[in-house]
Amino acid sequence: GAGVSQSPRYKVAKRGQDVALRCDPISGHVSLFWYQQALGQGPEFLTYFQNEAQLDKSGLPSDRFFAERPEGSVSTLKIQRTQQEDSAVYLCASSVRGEVPSTDTQYFGPGTRLTVL
Amino acid sequence: DQQVKQNSPSLSVQEGRISILNCDYTNSMFDYFLWYKKYPAEGPTFLISISSIKDKNEDGRFTVFLNKSAKHLSLHIVPSQPGDSAVYFCAASVQTGANNLFFGTGTRLTVIP
Repeated sequence: GAGVSQSPRYKVAKRGQDVALRCDPISGHVSLFWYQQALGQGPEFLTYFQNEAQLDKSGLPSDRFFAERPEGSVSTLKIQRTQQEDSAVYLCASSVRGEVPSTDTQYFGPGTRLTVL
Repeated sequence: DQQVKQNSPSLSVQEGRISILNCDYTNSMFDYFLWYKKYPAEGPTFLISISSIKDKNEDGRFTVFLNKSAKHLSLHIVPSQPGDSAVYFCAASVQTGANNLFFGTGTRLTVIP
């Protein structure tokens, strides 16, 4: 019964580098979310998957951000040509079902702290 | 534009006393509200939730109150324990939407032994 796991836990990138952040949701969870948490702020929604379908990417801040979940389980958030303003903790969450309305609890991973120098 | 607001960045309470954490929201479409607790270097952990059809939900030492007309909710912890020291995030969602959560900026609770 492992929870949501994320890797790496910490990532330092030079400005302009590409990074890939991985999320392993709880096994069998249909829904997967990515959030960005800047220092001193609450998490902010980036994107949402139901199985392999990306149903909402309205929170992605720019076209440098790309997320995928090709087999409906593991997800990767990729940031191209990183900028200093991308420095944040990136949180992944999963929940059991995908249908709406839903009050499913979202279970969060520990996050990846990205620092862009 | 912050749709969920926690105006107190920090709160200190003596062990055994009541902790009251407050949260305000602006979007009248929100119909489901949650509190998450976060320890350093960990992800947020679900604590308690409330649907907009209720005005109170209780789970052990934790009670959440919802005042829809004021667009305000609060989390009461009684009695407070040192292990409750953490950052508490209020969150809201629209149940008929994609269920993504809108978070406040958090309140750091310190329970003094």
